[in-house]
Order: sequence, then structure tokens, then C-alpha cells
Amino acid sequence: SQTIHQWPATLVQPVGSPLSLECTVEGTSNPNLYWYRQAAGRGLQLLFYSVGIGQISSEVPQNLSASRPQDRQFILSSKKLLLSDSGFYLCAWSSEARGYEQYFGPGTRLTVT
Amino acid sequence: AQSVTQLGSHVSVSEGALVLLRCNYSSSVPPYLFWYVQYPNQGLQLLLKYTSAATLVKGINGFEAEFKKSETSFHLTKPSAHMSDAAEYFCAVRASGYGKLTFGQGTILTVHP
Repeated sequence: SQTIHQWPATLVQPVGSPLSLECTVEGTSNPNLYWYRQAAGRGLQLLFYSVGIGQISSEVPQNLSASRPQDRQFILSSKKLLLSDSGFYLCAWSSEARGYEQYFGPGTRLTVT
Repeated sequence: AQSVTQLGSHVSVSEGALVLLRCNYSSSVPPYLFWYVQYPNQGLQLLLKYTSAATLVKGINGFEAEFKKSETSFHLTKPSAHMSDAAEYFCAVRASGYGKLTFGQGTILTVHP
């Protein structure tokens, strides 16, 4: 069966510090991968998605970036965090074999102070 | 382009009462529609999906939703609410077989004893 992991689960970082959040998927090959941010009371915003290694599409301009160094690994990064980067970050995957339904990880709670 | 509107950011029901969460969509092509549930500080879990088969879709935990093309709606219902149904619910639309999801703003369901 497929599983998706995210770490860390929670993170408190000062403004201006770097960020690296990691997402890995097990039990599937060549998944589509997604990063979402959920700010308080604001629903889910798609940040990045990837259909393959090294292929990243950005949905919104921001100081975040994403990378996909391996087939089942998706990383969200920032060089300098802003207060507005605080939120709940969710990674998701989908695949043709599963009808492109999106399955979500447990999330990372980021607080920028 | 597609969009989703969830009517009512908060819905409160008594235990045992009918649950009705409203979702209207806009899509230029036949849509794929989804309902997800999110418990506090957790990822999203797929409740049910509509993919152009039966218009009445049954999901997990006793929930179901009916696709009404004439009303561009996909409302979520459950005949009898349980305390464990208290969570946030998201409606989402996908315009193509492998396209990105667009989420509504979410509806927080509160269940009173």
C-alpha cells in the first residue's frame, strides 16, 4: 500500500531563517506531487506541483521554492522566511493507477516568529 | 478555469440530525468532484468522489453526495450526525483526468450533543 510522510511535524523558525520541508511517498512510482499551504481560515492554496523528477510548476509568486531530487521525494524550501509564511503545509500525491485522486500527508505546522 | 464555492463557513447540527454541506462548482468542462474531511492538525482524507458515473455517490462514514448538473451543485449529506463527524470539510473540483484540484474555502461542522 501507499504511504506519504512529511517532516518535521512542527517547526518554529525566526524571520529571515531558511526552511526545508520534506515529503516522501512509498509504494508507488512516478507520482504527481503537490505542495499546498493552509493559512488560518483561508482554505488550501496550491503552491507547487511536479509531474516528474526535476519538473516543478509554481502556482503563485512567493519566496518559496520546490525541488524533486528523486522520484518520490518532494522538498519545499525558502532562503529567508517571512511572517506570512506561517501556516500548515500539506504534501499530496496522485497517480494514473489510482485515477489521479490526491492523497495527503499529515502536514507540517510552521510558525515564523 | 474551475472554481468551487462552499456556502457557509460554519455549520452546527445536533447529534442525530441531518448534515447538509453545500458546494457549488464552476467548470468549463465536465468536472471531477471531491469531498475531503480534515480533523484538527491532520491531513485531508478523501470522503467521496464523482467521476461521471452515478450521480449519487456514497462515501465513507455514511456520507453521500449528489451531482446535479442543472444546479452545478455537489452537496454533501449524512442522515444522522455523530459527534465524531465534527471536522472541516472541503469540496474540490478537477477539470480533467489528471489536472490540479481547486478547493473551496471549507466548512467547519460542529456537532452538539
